[in-house]
Amino acid sequence: DTAVSQTPKYLVTQMGNDKSIKCEQNLGHDTMYWYKQDSKKFLKIMFSYNNKELIINETVPNRFSPKSPDKAHLNLHINSLELGDSAVYFCASSSWGTGSETQYFGPGTRLLVL
Amino acid sequence: QQQVKQSPQSLIVQKGGISIINCAYENTAFDYFPWYQQFPGKGPALLIAIRPDVSEKKEGRFTISFNKSAKQFSLHIMDSQPGDSATYFCAASKENTGFQKLVFGTGTRLLVSP
Repeated sequence: DTAVSQTPKYLVTQMGNDKSIKCEQNLGHDTMYWYKQDSKKFLKIMFSYNNKELIINETVPNRFSPKSPDKAHLNLHINSLELGDSAVYFCASSSWGTGSETQYFGPGTRLLVL
Repeated sequence: QQQVKQSPQSLIVQKGGISIINCAYENTAFDYFPWYQQFPGKGPALLIAIRPDVSEKKEGRFTISFNKSAKQFSLHIMDSQPGDSATYFCAASKENTGFQKLVFGTGTRLLVSP
C-alpha cells in the first residue's frame, strides 16, 4: 500500500554511465516532482510534471531528462554521470489545486557515483 | 541566494522541553509555509503548514508562529519526545495555478535526549 515508491533504493555506478530512476504513485495525484538532496541535506526541486506535461524545469544540467509516461509515473534518466550527481533523489506527488496541497515524498534513491 | 534561511543547524533538547526552529524568507510573494519532518533514510513528510492570513497554527504538540511584517516563521515543539528526533525543514511557496514550487530551508537536525 506504498503511496509513492521509487526504484532502485540504492544505485552505485561509475562516472560516465547512464542510469534511470523510476517513481510511481498510487494516490491518484496528477502532479509529480523530482527533488535532489545533497550531502548537506539541502533539498532542491528539479522538475515537476502535471498530467504528463512539464511545468517546472529548474536550472538542471541537460544530462538530466525526466519523462512521464502517464500521470502516475515519473522517471528520471541521467546521462554521463558525474561525481557531483551523488545525492539522494526524491520523487513526490500532489494533487492539482490552489497550491497548498500536501506533497507526498517517496523513500528516496541514494545515488553514488564513483 | 538562499531564499529561506533556517536556524539553528542543529538542536539538542531534553525530553519534555520546548524545541524552537526559526525561518526567515525574503520573497514577499510567498504565501504558503509548510514544515516537513524527515527521519533518517526516509523521505520528508508534511508536519504542519500555515498561510499568512493567520499568525499561529497549532496541531497537537506542534505550533507554527508566523510574523508577516518580519517575514519570519517558527516551529515550536512542546513536550519534545525522543521520537521527535529528526531533521526539520521549513519551506515556502507562492500560489501558482494548481501546483507548488517549494523552496526549502537548510534543515535543522533535532535530537531529543531521554
